[in-house]
Amino acid sequence: DSGVTQTPKHLITATGQRVTLRCSPRSGDLSVYWYQQSLDQGLQFLIQYYNGEERAKGNILERFSAQQFPDLHSELNLSSLELGDSALYFCASSVGDWEAGTQYFGPGTRLLVL
Amino acid sequence: GEDVEQSLFLSVREGDSSVINCTYTDSSSTYLYWYKQEPGAGLQLLTYIFSNMDMKQDQRLTVLLNKKDKHLSLRIADTQTGDSAIYFCAESKAGNAGNMLTFGGGTRLMVKP
Repeated sequence: DSGVTQTPKHLITATGQRVTLRCSPRSGDLSVYWYQQSLDQGLQFLIQYYNGEERAKGNILERFSAQQFPDLHSELNLSSLELGDSALYFCASSVGDWEAGTQYFGPGTRLLVL
Repeated sequence: GEDVEQSLFLSVREGDSSVINCTYTDSSSTYLYWYKQEPGAGLQLLTYIFSNMDMKQDQRLTVLLNKKDKHLSLRIADTQTGDSAIYFCAESKAGNAGNMLTFGGGTRLMVKP
């Protein structure tokens, strides 16, 4: 158990819908990261937040957005869902911001878009 | 650009050593990581090495880093059936732009009894 929690574990929805994935980082960690794992793209970095502020952005679609709240939990919002958005979404956390700190991953949320 | 590559598949017999290889292109990588993913599970951090080190040993795991060739390997001694999983190498580059990980495509390790 990494200490990072993600809810829900599984999500099934239809195209065009909007969903919210939730992540709670390890106690004491200030950075939260979101990654997407799909068969065709592999594991890709989406976005990083540190202490409530966006720090780095990767291959995140404009239909996707995220935020980190004062209690440090984070939410990833996916809207206008398409079949290709079906994937495993991981959240990770680390202590620091720009320094290369070890990232610990949650169990993931498996999203299926029908 | 940044790219991390791994071979797709490795099969070994129980008790043998496994060596999983990874190459990367970004010479400014700060840390290099090995993660393990079992079926239906998340990513488990196995070990990591700082870019100014050549080797790191942690129980059955040995990481070798050849910075000149940008080659990273993970050796698992006395491989067990419970080691069957997908292994990902990843690099990070600390700096003002945050701390994202760039992953390889993963190597599926199959351990035969």
